[in-house]
Amino acid sequence: QQQVKQSPQSLIVQKGGISIINCAYENTAFDYFPWYQQFPGKGPALLIAIRPDVSEKKEGRFTISFNKSAKQFSLHIMDSQPGDSATYFCAATKGGSQGNLIFGKGTKLSVKP
Amino acid sequence: GAVVSQHPSRVICKSGTSVKIECRSLDFQATTMFWYRQFPKQSLMLMATSNEGSKATYEQGVEKDKFLINHASLTLSTLTVTSAHPEDSSFYICSAKLGTDTQYFGPGTRLTVL
Repeated sequence: QQQVKQSPQSLIVQKGGISIINCAYENTAFDYFPWYQQFPGKGPALLIAIRPDVSEKKEGRFTISFNKSAKQFSLHIMDSQPGDSATYFCAATKGGSQGNLIFGKGTKLSVKP
Repeated sequence: GAVVSQHPSRVICKSGTSVKIECRSLDFQATTMFWYRQFPKQSLMLMATSNEGSKATYEQGVEKDKFLINHASLTLSTLTVTSAHPEDSSFYICSAKLGTDTQYFGPGTRLTVL
């Protein structure tokens, strides 16, 4: 019940295309869903996050879509660029001082020029 | 804002030595910090949760006597890998929690034990 399932494991997109990464969770107590971007040899960087009270959040080219009833959320990267090539992790947590992030297994995105 | 630093970024040591890794929140205070380990092409594995002024909480399977964690202030947590062995070689990443939910990660420390 603590798992977060992420797909696909890898994704190849042409420059200018839309990259879509999906995650599903089981624990309905989760109330905070961030996405992290990680480049090789670097720590994860917070990209965008959403709470269950909204169905969509957009920041620049990055959008999170959230479906509470289906317990799914996804990251959309519009106008994908080669510089977006990285590994993306979704995560979920139950808010509070002791809440730990439960990570998906990651998606390696390659954007071809 | 919300910058987390780690030092050192890379360390190479001989088997049997101890290595200390520092994690600092530079522009905010963090009551809670976390330590993760990441193997190549894998997700982050939570090792322990560190709370300022109290003992760390270790995840199942993580040896607390081998991975010593100290959270001496609201901006500093340290991880000491004691008597390191080659199997401890990994990428260690800390994070600091801002508010109730958001975690900001450090750049990571690559540990290589010869």
